This record gives sequence, structure tokens and C-alpha cells, in this order.
Amino acid sequence: DTEVTQTPKHLVMGMTNKKSLKCEQHMGHRAMYWYKQKAKKPPELMFVYSYEKLSINESVPSRFSPECPNSSLLNLHLHALQPEDSALYLCASSQADLRTDTQYFGPGTRLTVL
Amino acid sequence: KNEVEQSPQNLTAQEGEFITINCSYSVGISALHWLQQHPGGGIVSLFMLSSGKKKHGRLIATINIQEKHSSLHITASHPRDSAVYICAVGGAETSGSRLTFGEGTQLTVNP
Repeated sequence: DTEVTQTPKHLVMGMTNKKSLKCEQHMGHRAMYWYKQKAKKPPELMFVYSYEKLSINESVPSRFSPECPNSSLLNLHLHALQPEDSALYLCASSQADLRTDTQYFGPGTRLTVL
Repeated sequence: KNEVEQSPQNLTAQEGEFITINCSYSVGISALHWLQQHPGGGIVSLFMLSSGKKKHGRLIATINIQEKHSSLHITASHPRDSAVYICAVGGAETSGSRLTFGEGTQLTVNP
């Protein structure tokens, strides 16, 4: 199984809502990533979990809260988002080190904040 | 100047044509990744290479470490190859968790 799954595929939320994005992989990968991608732009790294510990937070606003309950699961909790947070949110995983390992991406969650 | 530059930004080809997309980088790297993104979002990793050349089906990727340049070639292009192709590098000095991305090349292959 070389798949990264993400749910939901689409999400529309108001600025006062709380929602969560979910990501799952069963490849035994020890690194998991959240990216944000705006239209016609490359992905921007948000968070990295390595061996279930948060290793990188790219100065992401606190209205985005990541969680890694176990080595297969990655969540992104959303609260009080702004319309400019509307984007494609991509999850990815890799064995460990991107200097030597391939990164596998999920299909993304397209988020619209009203 | 971006650390990773891709050219061209946009490319339109006729079915069957040979296609080349270029990527130049200005930092020391440990690995270079070629990614494909179809409309609708999902990204697929095509190649990861640190030297030489790799081939998979109609796709060929090459890298010249001395010249800090990589190319992605598509032979006998097909409309289903229409996608954005992204070059990304894993830096030799940076953590193994970050990739630096190019801006992408939008490829359209017409039947």
C-alpha cells in the first residue's frame, strides 16, 4: 500500500467554525508533513512530524493546530480561520529523510473559508 | 533570485512531441525530486535523484551536479501528460525534512 489518504476532499467552513483535516498512511513512514498550496503556486511547508514528534513549525498561526496521534495518523485542527486561509491542504509522508527518501502525497483537502 | 528556477513556466506541445523541462538550483543539494500535479490537486513523485539519470516508462530525468542542473524529458507525449511539473531540492546543509520547490512548469499536450 503506497497511498496517503486525506479526508475530507472538500471543506467549506465559516470563520467561527472548528473543523479537522485527517491524513493516514500505512507505509510505515516515520515522517509526516502538512503543506498549504495556493492556486498556481508550489506547496508551502507548514508542519513536520518526525517519529510522532513535531519537528518543524514554519511559524504557522495558532489557528492551525497539528496533531499526530500515532505513526499512521496526522490531523490538522482548524479554528477561527480567515478567508485567506482558503487553499489546498496537502498531507505527505516519507520514510524519514527527504535527502534520500521519496515523499508520498495525499490527494489534498480543498478548504474554503467563508 | 529563487534557489530553484524552472523553465519554461508554460509549455504547449502536440501529441507525440519530445518535451524537456529544465531545473536549475543555486544551493548544494543531497537530492532532487521531480513531482507531477494534475488539475484537482494530488501530487505524484516521479523521480528522486542525486546523480546521473533515471528512466521510468516515457519519462527520463537527468541531473548534472557540477552544473547544478536537472532536466525532465517526456518522450512521445500524450494529452494525459498535461499537468504541472515541479522540481524540488533537498538541501545538503538543511534538515532532511525540507524541500525547496520551484514554481512549476504547466505542460499542456494537445491531441
